[in-house]
Amino acid sequence: DAGVTQSPTHLIKTRGQQVTLRCSPKSGHDTVSWYQQALGQGPQFIFQYYEEEERQRGNFPDRFSGHQFPNYSSELNVNALLLGDSALYLCASSPLLQDDTDTQYFGPGTRLTVL
Amino acid sequence: QKEVEQDPGPLSVPEGAIVSLNCTYSNSAFQYFMWYRQYSRKGPELLMYTYSSGNKEDGRFTAQVDKSSKYISLFIRDSQPSDSATYLCAMKASGTYKYIFGTGTRLKVLA
Repeated sequence: DAGVTQSPTHLIKTRGQQVTLRCSPKSGHDTVSWYQQALGQGPQFIFQYYEEEERQRGNFPDRFSGHQFPNYSSELNVNALLLGDSALYLCASSPLLQDDTDTQYFGPGTRLTVL
Repeated sequence: QKEVEQDPGPLSVPEGAIVSLNCTYSNSAFQYFMWYRQYSRKGPELLMYTYSSGNKEDGRFTAQVDKSSKYISLFIRDSQPSDSATYLCAMKASGTYKYIFGTGTRLKVLA
């Protein structure tokens, strides 16, 4: 059973550029959440996608946007990169259970370095 | 004050010891609690999921939630060097999809 996969593994960009990160959820999962994890910190919630719509958003600027495709895979786009955007970007997928009860399974992450 | 507080460690214990990892929180609405293990430069791995109060056991791991004290714990029995990692707690309230994470506790189990 394939787990959550993310690509690319590593990425180096310069300030002002744009980046797209990709995520394929675990088999049987239809909800995708994105997190940013700075060095030495816990993951910070960026947003969650369900049925191709952004369902909830964390405290991140509009430079961060996303998309979910009909096959449940997802992309995270970051525009106008800043040095502070350097972090590990994590994708987590969840099975749809009753109400809002869910667990989250993380992928290996994409390490973004902004120079 | 952060919503979720977690001692960053590092916590060093000898192999075979019982490890206790803890998080405190300020939001009494939190009802869903998870513990993750994260090895260096890897994604977090889900260890335990608990709803509301009480205990849950899975192999060498036991999770406890004390909502009256706003305190959760993860116990690891017979700790192994392979348990050396950072342990993250995460929690959320009903009606939201956003999990709040602690900063993580770094654990070292010495052979």
